[in-house]
Amino acid sequence: DGGITQSPKYLFRKEGQNVTLSCEQNLNHDAMYWYRQDPGQGLRLIYYSQIVNDFQKGDIAEGYSVSREKKESFPLTVTSAQKNPTAFYLCASSKLDRATNEKLFFGSGTQLSVL
Amino acid sequence: DAKTTQPNSMESNEEEPVHLPCNHSTISGTDYIHWYRQLPSQGPEYVIHGLTSNVNNRMASLAIAEDRKSSTLILHRATLRDAAVYYCTPTTGNQFYFGTGTSLTVIP
Repeated sequence: DGGITQSPKYLFRKEGQNVTLSCEQNLNHDAMYWYRQDPGQGLRLIYYSQIVNDFQKGDIAEGYSVSREKKESFPLTVTSAQKNPTAFYLCASSKLDRATNEKLFFGSGTQLSVL
Repeated sequence: DAKTTQPNSMESNEEEPVHLPCNHSTISGTDYIHWYRQLPSQGPEYVIHGLTSNVNNRMASLAIAEDRKSSTLILHRATLRDAAVYYCTPTTGNQFYFGTGTSLTVIP
């Protein structure tokens, strides 16, 4: 089945540790996104990428890093510089078509907690 | 960036219509209006989107005001499966802004 796969579903980080969240899609979508969601809050954009080897910062990029070496993969690293990383992280993808403004497809999310 | 205002919560009786409002007064002329819904601990799910005219699909209808400063998502017959948080998201250049949404409770 086509879709977006996020792993792991739950992740624990020790203080000072970097952790990487995986996001893979087989929808042949050009654009991929990372969002952070805190309890009872909306989604905030961390990073997005519209083409391989290129990405842009969103509203809350500090303390995070990404790479886009392959079209189907967009991993997110939560670095030790992110002092409050506990949140629900969502990956999404979409086609790029400015004429029709294609919809977002979301993964099932990764819950990151600090030990 | 276009910002949105939605009621924090709404209730509906099962099998009755539900009208979920959204104000997006700063929307630009080329922004589409998307609606998504999210169940607890899951990723959001696409519901519907439009630009200027009203839109219908198998899930819902979208009514867009003539000045485009507001829109209304219409669920024609609410079911228990429709209980979720609904987000109205104007899009700017393929960037989607998500506010805090409306939590819909469906009463059996």
